Amino acid sequence: EVQLLESGGGLVQPGGSLRLSCAVSGFTFSSYAMSWVRQAPGKGLEWVSGISASGGSTYYADSVRGRFTISRDNGKKTLYLQMNSLRAEDTAVYYCAKWVVGRPFYFDYWGQGTLVTVSS
Amino acid sequence: QTVVTQEPSFSVSPGGTVTLTCGLSSGSVSTDYYPSWYQQTPGQAPRTLIYSTNTRSSGVPDRFSGSILGNKAALTITGAQADDESDYYCVLYMGSGISVFGGGTKLTVL
Repeated sequence: EVQLLESGGGLVQPGGSLRLSCAVSGFTFSSYAMSWVRQAPGKGLEWVSGISASGGSTYYADSVRGRFTISRDNGKKTLYLQMNSLRAEDTAVYYCAKWVVGRPFYFDYWGQGTLVTVSS
Repeated sequence: QTVVTQEPSFSVSPGGTVTLTCGLSSGSVSTDYYPSWYQQTPGQAPRTLIYSTNTRSSGVPDRFSGSILGNKAALTITGAQADDESDYYCVLYMGSGISVFGGGTKLTVL
């Protein structure tokens, strides 16, 4: 059974930093790309960032480029999102998702999410 | 910046058929965008319904179908049920590792 479990969310002040983690099981983590998707309270889903299976290629939405860094540890089967210079508008539930890439492109499994609140 | 458009809301009667669409602020949606569709109920993680325009994800009932209609991607629900009342999101792959979600459609079954 595929499982993705996010952690690391919490309350942080504007301008602060936070690192999210996503521990996975049930599939060969090192063979698949992964992504982070977020959802602000009462709003829609927004793709945030993606990373290739090897970690050699990373991708970012314009809204987070330069502030967020995605990474992975294939040995630990864990995906990370380092979030710096956080803003109020980064407040959201952050989901990690297994990302199928290479024709087709889609998200096939999702975690339950972790809430990040940016507020003073 | 490219915007992916969806109807904000839609309603359907139980047993009825509804088609939700996914378009672009500029241009037409084609299979080259690998449209995918996700269902989300409040407080829950998204669930993958359709990928690559019209392929159902594992376990998704065949009353959910995907297609290209005109210049948009479409999700059709045939024989709507009460538990289909959810938010539905499309995603288009823009190339260069970038995926963009539509704003979502809130579907009411009544």
